[in-house]
Amino acid sequence: DIQMTQSPSSLSASVGDTVTITCRASQDISKSLAWFHQKPGKAPTCLIYDASSLQSGVPSKFSGSGSGRDFTLTISTLQPEDFGTYYCLQYKSYPLTFGGGAKVEI
Amino acid sequence: EVQLVESGGGLVQPGGSLRLSCAASGFTFSDHYMDWVRQAPGKGLEWVGRIRKKPNSYTTEYAASVKDRFTISRDDSRNSLYLQMNSLKTEDTAVYYCTRGGTYHPDYWGQGTLVTVSS
Repeated sequence: DIQMTQSPSSLSASVGDTVTITCRASQDISKSLAWFHQKPGKAPTCLIYDASSLQSGVPSKFSGSGSGRDFTLTISTLQPEDFGTYYCLQYKSYPLTFGGGAKVEI
Repeated sequence: EVQLVESGGGLVQPGGSLRLSCAASGFTFSDHYMDWVRQAPGKGLEWVGRIRKKPNSYTTEYAASVKDRFTISRDDSRNSLYLQMNSLKTEDTAVYYCTRGGTYHPDYWGQGTLVTVSS
């Protein structure tokens, strides 16, 4: 199975900050990576797919980059509604595997 | 508007069975593969399995942790997805999410249904 390692596991940031979360795959996954945001008690929502494509309806303050093993999610101009946990997901091969999550506290 | 509504969760004893359903609307259900994803209380996300579309013979994939115990099926005429869970274990306790397949990733998620396995 492909292991996905996210860092940091948690971070504190202020409104207006730019935040970067990274995800590393245990092997090459090309660009088969998605990012999700989850608020407490709610279902996750898809932000980015294919490493850098913005999901329909998602604001451009979210951006993704990377390929191969190393990926980055950047959130610019952080707002209070951006708190929660962010997960990466590889879909290069079965089983699909998620990273452990990165909790963002405002 | 894409909507996915799960149902069928509840309390079940270890070794028991449960069937989850997911009612889909707002898109052409038969055009999409569908996944189940779960989340144990206070934990991260775990992919459970996938069912492909009719052109792909409705074939399925499963996580090792549920293989041979869980079965995913679909009824395109009813726009519905199912998860049959047998031989349930305490570690299967989780919120179960129904998700729609995007290109190759889950792009829309339901609100989830809680399954508790306990004696």
